[in-house]
Amino acid sequence: AQTVTQSQPEMSVQEAETVTLSCTYDTSESDYYLFWYKQPPSRQMILVIRQEAYKQQNATENRFSVNFQKAAKSFSLKISDSQLGDAAMYFCAYRSVETSGSRLTFGEGTQLTVNP
Amino acid sequence: GAGVSQTPSNKVTEKGKYVELRCDPISGHTALYWYRQSLGQGPEFLIYFQGTGAADDSGLPNDRFFAVRPEGSVSTLKIQRTERGDSAVYLCASSSSPYNEQFFGPGTRLTVL
Repeated sequence: AQTVTQSQPEMSVQEAETVTLSCTYDTSESDYYLFWYKQPPSRQMILVIRQEAYKQQNATENRFSVNFQKAAKSFSLKISDSQLGDAAMYFCAYRSVETSGSRLTFGEGTQLTVNP
Repeated sequence: GAGVSQTPSNKVTEKGKYVELRCDPISGHTALYWYRQSLGQGPEFLIYFQGTGAADDSGLPNDRFFAVRPEGSVSTLKIQRTERGDSAVYLCASSSSPYNEQFFGPGTRLTVL
């Protein structure tokens, strides 16, 4: 079974600064997807960015980018020019391609605080 | 367009009671997922529907939990003989096909007293 680990329960950053959230995962599969989701107090999970394991290039979405290290099974999220609206719980998630089903496996989450 | 909706937003019940939680997916989405999120944790998979059938129910914790999707649209998660440990936020997500992006609803917070 796949597992996802987020070792930083809480992180804080100053507005306009850059912060990196860490995620590691364990799998025996060679092809899979990785995601970062944002969950504000409204509880609704919002997809921030996704990475396909067979793609070597790191995904980027505006101020959000990832550092995907497949051999190390590491998938960190970098938020540049942090904004107050970025404050939320962030979850790293894994989805298999090879096995049947398309469930997401989530980490424990990192609570991000943005200080003005 | 409308997103995934879930009702009720909050549900308080007593230990031993029966509850139903409803999910309305995005129109046309054939895949529907239920997850459970306990306090301070990430969501955990419960069940996945493709159309009307449960394609993967391996995440249901025990036989007190059951879910249906009779017409391939709305889904209901049913919990019998609720226990205090069932208290959590129950999230529903839908996608246009199994390997496309999952869109989440706002969840139902279930509190079992």
